[in-house]
Amino acid sequence: DTEVTQTPKHLVMGMTNKKSLKCEQHMGHRAMYWYKQKAKKPPELMFVYSYEKLSINESVPSRFSPECPNSSLLNLHLHALQPEDSALYLCASSQVSSLPLGNTIYFGEGSWLTVV
Amino acid sequence: AQKITQTQPGMFVQEKEAVTLDCTYDTSDPSYGLFWYKQPSSGEMIFLIYQGSYDQQNATEGRYSLNFQKARKSANLVISASQLGDSAMYFCAMREGTGGFKTIFGAGTRLFVKA
Repeated sequence: DTEVTQTPKHLVMGMTNKKSLKCEQHMGHRAMYWYKQKAKKPPELMFVYSYEKLSINESVPSRFSPECPNSSLLNLHLHALQPEDSALYLCASSQVSSLPLGNTIYFGEGSWLTVV
Repeated sequence: AQKITQTQPGMFVQEKEAVTLDCTYDTSDPSYGLFWYKQPSSGEMIFLIYQGSYDQQNATEGRYSLNFQKARKSANLVISASQLGDSAMYFCAMREGTGGFKTIFGAGTRLFVKA
């Protein structure tokens, strides 16, 4: 079983709604990630938090707002999304290490988002 | 710039046979790591195996092995004794030693295991 859990598994929201995706990891990792994945495509990095501070924002539109309340939790707040934002959103975590192996990313099961 | 290439969009394999999924990469960083992930239709990305650029031996994890040919910049995944549950999307990925938190992924290969 994965040690990175995401809720909800499925979410349908209207373009005027405000919703949040939640992620929790139990691996003691200090880096957490949000990825977006469209059908038949590889995951695309959105945000990275390291030691609860935002480290990377890959020019993501402001309608996506990440939050890292503590080292185990990561949220993605959604507001005024567009239908093209419909995708699988994957949360992940890793150690913070200077070695590539130490930075192996472990993913959650993902949240399937549909914007109508 | 780092780059990962998977040239096989789809592969078929008979149950109980072995299959090789191709991956080539490009980087100028002497320190890097190569990863393979499996993604079933349920969506979860499952980490399978890791190979470091300085590792002398090919990585193995159960039925998975990584055929690492550094001079050719290839890191092919070999799955032995295929099972129906191996049907999934497989992604090759790379992280450079100087790349910080960025892992880049190949386009993926869809594997179909036939009974």
